Amino acid sequence: QVQLVQSGAEVKKPGASVKVSCKASGYTFTGYYMHWVRQAPGQGLEWMGWINPNSGGTNYAQKFQGWVTMTRDTSISTAYMELSRLRSDDTAVYYCARSNYDILTGLYGMDVWGQGTTVTVSS
Amino acid sequence: QSVLTQPPSASGTPGQRVTISCSGSSSNIGSNYVYWYQQLPGTAPKLLIYRNNQRPSGVPDRFSGSKSGTSASLAISGLRSEDEADYYCAAWDDSLRGVFGTGTKVTVL
Repeated sequence: QVQLVQSGAEVKKPGASVKVSCKASGYTFTGYYMHWVRQAPGQGLEWMGWINPNSGGTNYAQKFQGWVTMTRDTSISTAYMELSRLRSDDTAVYYCARSNYDILTGLYGMDVWGQGTTVTVSS
Repeated sequence: QSVLTQPPSASGTPGQRVTISCSGSSSNIGSNYVYWYQQLPGTAPKLLIYRNNQRPSGVPDRFSGSKSGTSASLAISGLRSEDEADYYCAAWDDSLRGVFGTGTKVTVL
């Protein structure tokens, strides 16, 4: 079945970087955009950006530009999100989620989500 | 980064109808589709409504969405205990960047 499986929980020190993976199965990886969304403890959802696995093109939220890098490896149907210069307020659950895209009408909703990866930033 | 505005909470008794509002701007809701997500406690969000008022297969028709101008709303009719969750509206903006609502916690009394 269609699923996204993310890497395990991470504990990082302030100033370090973290790289979270998201392995897709059950569908054509290059046929859907991959988004990253985070949720701090007790807070709402925050969209971070997307990567087009087919072209490698990315689009980041302004807040994360220069700070987040999204990549992919099509040979293993896996997307990655790397966040650098971590601070304590980057402690959150990070989700990957796919969405379809139509050149005429644009992006669709995020219809399949990973299970989430907890990233804890603490000294 | 702009955010869509939702009421923090909504509640109702079983069987009642609950409506959640979502207010945005001309660059997001006003010119693009609206999506709604349901997040049950401790789980990943689930797509509930896409393109303003369409339901993915498996979503009960008790859930309905609408949009007018720069605002949108989600209605839950025949409220059930399993509907107790957080609900988020979302939209893409004109730069294909995503924006979520502030979230609404629905409580079934």
